[in-house]
Amino acid sequence: GENVEQHPSTLSVQEGDSAVIKCTYSDSASNYFPWYKQELGKGPQLIIDIRSNVGEKKDQRIAVTLNKTAKHFSLHITETQPEDSAVYFCAASTPSNTGKLIFGQGTTLQVKP
Amino acid sequence: NAGVTQTPKFQVLKTGQSMTLQCAQDMNHNSMYWYRQDPGMGLRLIYYSASEGTTDKGEVPNGYNVSRLNKREFSLRLESAAPSQTSVYFCASSARQGSQETQYFGPGTRLLVL
Repeated sequence: GENVEQHPSTLSVQEGDSAVIKCTYSDSASNYFPWYKQELGKGPQLIIDIRSNVGEKKDQRIAVTLNKTAKHFSLHITETQPEDSAVYFCAASTPSNTGKLIFGQGTTLQVKP
Repeated sequence: NAGVTQTPKFQVLKTGQSMTLQCAQDMNHNSMYWYRQDPGMGLRLIYYSASEGTTDKGEVPNGYNVSRLNKREFSLRLESAAPSQTSVYFCASSARQGSQETQYFGPGTRLLVL
């Protein structure tokens, strides 16, 4: 079945630096790739997503890139702020038309002031 | 709109006890999902319901049962709790119409099985 690998598992950056989280997926039929942010004690919240007909998408300080050939996608956060500290999950859709997502293992991002 | 709500927020069980986790959404979504979250393992799908009246197994269904009571509500039942079921449980829902696959998550239920 579909598998999603996410790296790194932990990431520590200085405030103002950029952070990059990478994911690879196994099923070439996947066509939807969301990113979720989970703050301590809360449920995951969607921050950005990308579909397979698009190579890059930006929303203010966050961007996602997709390389379908290599089957990997990345989250880029620029000018990081302490409030960006959280756990980030990538996910890939399954081609079963059920809305199912397969999640990566998560990345704990710490932004040091 | 409350979005996705879950009850209880926290529960302690003894091995062998049963309980039902409740989930409701007010977004008129077709699909609902139950996940468990364990350290270093991301979110793993337990069961899902693609539409009212249907349920299917996910990646880790053993030890659980679900009921899609109506379009709004999707419950998860542990018949005989085991320590391995200590986890944080999240319910999610999505419209799943056309390209609307975005899943919206509830705040979670933290379960400790002793």
